[in-house]
Amino acid sequence: GAVVSQHPSRVICKSGTSVKIECRSLDFQATTMFWYRQFPKKSLMLMATSNEGSKATYEQGVEKDKFLINHASLTLSTLTVTSAHPEDSSFYICSAGGQGSSYNEQFFGPGTRLTVL
Amino acid sequence: QKEVEQDPGPLSVPEGAIVSLNCTYSNSAFQYFMWYRQYSRKGPELLMYTYSSGNKEDGRFTAQVDKSSKYISLFIRDSQPSDSATYLCAMSWRGNKLVFGAGTILRVKS
Repeated sequence: GAVVSQHPSRVICKSGTSVKIECRSLDFQATTMFWYRQFPKKSLMLMATSNEGSKATYEQGVEKDKFLINHASLTLSTLTVTSAHPEDSSFYICSAGGQGSSYNEQFFGPGTRLTVL
Repeated sequence: QKEVEQDPGPLSVPEGAIVSLNCTYSNSAFQYFMWYRQYSRKGPELLMYTYSSGNKEDGRFTAQVDKSSKYISLFIRDSQPSDSATYLCAMSWRGNKLVFGAGTILRVKS
């Protein structure tokens, strides 16, 4: 399967700071990338879908000004959590889909654990 | 009612047992069915991908889809301690987002 990486794997920050998480597809061109959030012992919640070169589509209830997504190239998407607060602490996972793929085939990154103090 | 229901477990079995994991769903439009395995603090890994009804086998894993009953299953034969993980079912219909089950925690004891 395709390889997707995320960086950093873990980040601890103070309340009020911004944190950027990178998602890279290492061996294929990802026209579409997805960002999920996962709470302990809960399933994945889709936050937004980003297509290379265009604005991200956010799911209902997700603040676009708080969770900034950029998908500037076919191999890189970034999620920036702005003015982070303790309730933003979570496991953030990205996934990538290849050229012409629908939502059906997604390859997930290893996740980033964010802790906001 | 949730779109996808999955028993969170945990399900504990002895090594070598046959494991049966299941999900039910309510949306008859779902056409694509997937099973992901997620180890602790890691991202999900795609195990099985099935379109519409029927069975699919890959090594020790068999996925079954029964669209008439809105029920999907994942069977693991000769389970190993390394199979201990959370198993997530996911499904979608053409051009739409994946809908995940809550995940079932599986523990295989040696």
